[in-house]
Amino acid sequence: DGGITQSPKYLFRKEGQNVTLSCEQNLNHDAMYWYRQDPGQGLRLIYYSQIVNDFQKGDIAEGYSVSREKKESFPLTVTSAQKNPTAFYLCATSSRQGPQPQHFGDGTRLSIL
Amino acid sequence: GENVEQHPSTLSVQEGDSAVIKCTYSDSASNYFPWYKQELGKRPQLIIDIRSNVGEKKDQRIAVTLNKTAKHFSLHITETQPEDSAVYFCAATQGTGFQKLVFGTGTRLLVSP
Repeated sequence: DGGITQSPKYLFRKEGQNVTLSCEQNLNHDAMYWYRQDPGQGLRLIYYSQIVNDFQKGDIAEGYSVSREKKESFPLTVTSAQKNPTAFYLCATSSRQGPQPQHFGDGTRLSIL
Repeated sequence: GENVEQHPSTLSVQEGDSAVIKCTYSDSASNYFPWYKQELGKRPQLIIDIRSNVGEKKDQRIAVTLNKTAKHFSLHITETQPEDSAVYFCAATQGTGFQKLVFGTGTRLLVSP
């Protein structure tokens, strides 16, 4: 969706390095999400945030951290504790009111050097 | 928590045939069921969704049916075209209050000319 910008498109991580993936949105959505997608797999929820200054762990939060200091931004840090970080990372947003569709950014492909 | 199973994992059809993808869910409180189409290397895009107070919804060649009693929902694509080739994901909401989405593992649809 045009209102969600993920950067960079490709990212390489060295051993022991933390890397941060950016997600910015101009849809005025309260809720934001990070998913991990492995080849041939579905989407697994890493973290989500319902509102500024609040976030919760998803199903696979270990080795990841997030912050939500602004409504528009929800960066994801992949720490050195995540031993298998190679994947396609997708950010999504939705309205907070009731069950609503989630809209996705174009993703960041992370690989290990 | 919610568990969403999706079948088949791959589906090959001839152009003009119909395609049906089925999903089952476990949480009886689920009330929103979106379907996403993902082309290779791209972001998932919402193609149709249905809420629990509706049994069927149609949008041109695409339709979704929901059976709440049996806890399953299906995507139907008629008059398939080569550009329908992609991976399709179903999802269902989990929890009460703020609802997350749980995704199926995806169906790779190949439409041959």
